[in-house]
Amino acid sequence: NAGVMQNPRHLVRRRGQEARLRCSPMKGHSHVYWYRQLPEEGLKFMVYLQKENIIDESGMPKERFSAEFPKEGPSILRIQQVVRGDSAAYFCASSPFREDEQFFGPGTRLTVL
Amino acid sequence: AQSVAQPEDQVNVAEGNPLTVKCTYSVSGNPYLFWYVQYPNRGLQFLLKYITGDNLVKGSYGFEAEFNKSQTSFHLKKPSALVSDSALYFCAVRAAHSGNTPLVFGKGTRLSVIA
Repeated sequence: NAGVMQNPRHLVRRRGQEARLRCSPMKGHSHVYWYRQLPEEGLKFMVYLQKENIIDESGMPKERFSAEFPKEGPSILRIQQVVRGDSAAYFCASSPFREDEQFFGPGTRLTVL
Repeated sequence: AQSVAQPEDQVNVAEGNPLTVKCTYSVSGNPYLFWYVQYPNRGLQFLLKYITGDNLVKGSYGFEAEFNKSQTSFHLKKPSALVSDSALYFCAVRAAHSGNTPLVFGKGTRLSVIA
């Protein structure tokens, strides 16, 4: 059973471009979470999704950021018009049930030039 | 609101000695508590969790943690540290039966085990 997969692992964008991060949860997991980690800091919750539904997006900036988890295919975190402050590691996690431990992917390291 | 405090940014311990990484939490009602470990340039790996039952929880790689309700603590321990345990450790909490409240992580404690 493959773990949580994220791609790309590294992404470089210039200011103003769009960044699209993908996450494939573990097989059988219908709950997906996105987190952002800045250097030397802990993880900050961004958004929680179940298939086709956003359950909680309280940690996601209201502008430029969006997330989806379609019926088919991976979950996508989209950042439009990136700025230097968006540079961070973005982690996706999945779980089979909401109460369970979350399994994390290897992360996408976004660098905005 | 939920919160987690990891009071030590860095813990240094000699190989073979016992180690403790501290975590205290604040949550309304009963907590679900988790420990994760992060190696350089990797995602977080689950170590152990407390949901209910025995206050002493045993997890992966010889780690254990003790839930102390009166002190609102969930310290991570290992009887004999290995150099390979050197990593960043995160404690996390969410309230039990709290609907869709997200998991809240501490800032992390960097453990360095010296040979």
